[in-house]
Amino acid sequence: DAGVIQSPRHEVTEMGQEVTLRCKPISGHDYLFWYRQTMMRGLELLIYFNNNVPIDDSGMPEDRFSAKMPNASFSTLKIQPSEPRDSAVYFCASSPSDEQFFGPGTRLTVL
Amino acid sequence: RKEVEQDPGPFNVPEGATVAFNCTYSNSASQSFFWYRQDCRKEPKLLMSVYSSGNEDGRFTAQLNRASQYISLLIRDSKLSDSATYLCVVKGTTDSWGKLQFGAGTQVVVTP
Repeated sequence: DAGVIQSPRHEVTEMGQEVTLRCKPISGHDYLFWYRQTMMRGLELLIYFNNNVPIDDSGMPEDRFSAKMPNASFSTLKIQPSEPRDSAVYFCASSPSDEQFFGPGTRLTVL
Repeated sequence: RKEVEQDPGPFNVPEGATVAFNCTYSNSASQSFFWYRQDCRKEPKLLMSVYSSGNEDGRFTAQLNRASQYISLLIRDSKLSDSATYLCVVKGTTDSWGKLQFGAGTQVVVTP
């Protein structure tokens, strides 16, 4: 198995632009998580899905952030419009139960 | 108060020495506990689960103290490759099934 796949690996954009991050979880995993990591705030859970249904989105910073999981093999995290404070590493993780398997992350820089 | 708290370190450890550090958690109803390892600019990876009776995995020993609400990690015979950030992770109650709470991490630097 290729593990959790995220794209792009790096994204540099200008303030105000729309950013879409993509994730392909490990096949058979029922849970999918989106995290954000910064030096100041550490690893923060943004939202997670169970069987493609959003369960807890209390970590989503504001309405500029949205996440979807249209099927078991694909999820997106969208930021519109992006702001410099959104610069961070965004991780997607999938899980069959307890252990979470993380993707390599997308390093986002908003100028 | 954060749900999971860790000493950020860094813990500077000579190669071959033993290092230990703790993590405290606030939710007494927490169900499961883990240590994850994160290398610089990489994703977190599961190091080991922490069981009530304590458990070992090679040079790594994890302990859980429910009464005092902390878990610990001990690394024996430290290797240069053990240099990383160790994340304490707690799984909440059944109301938050699947959701893990991550600590901010303890940085360990093993020196030659």
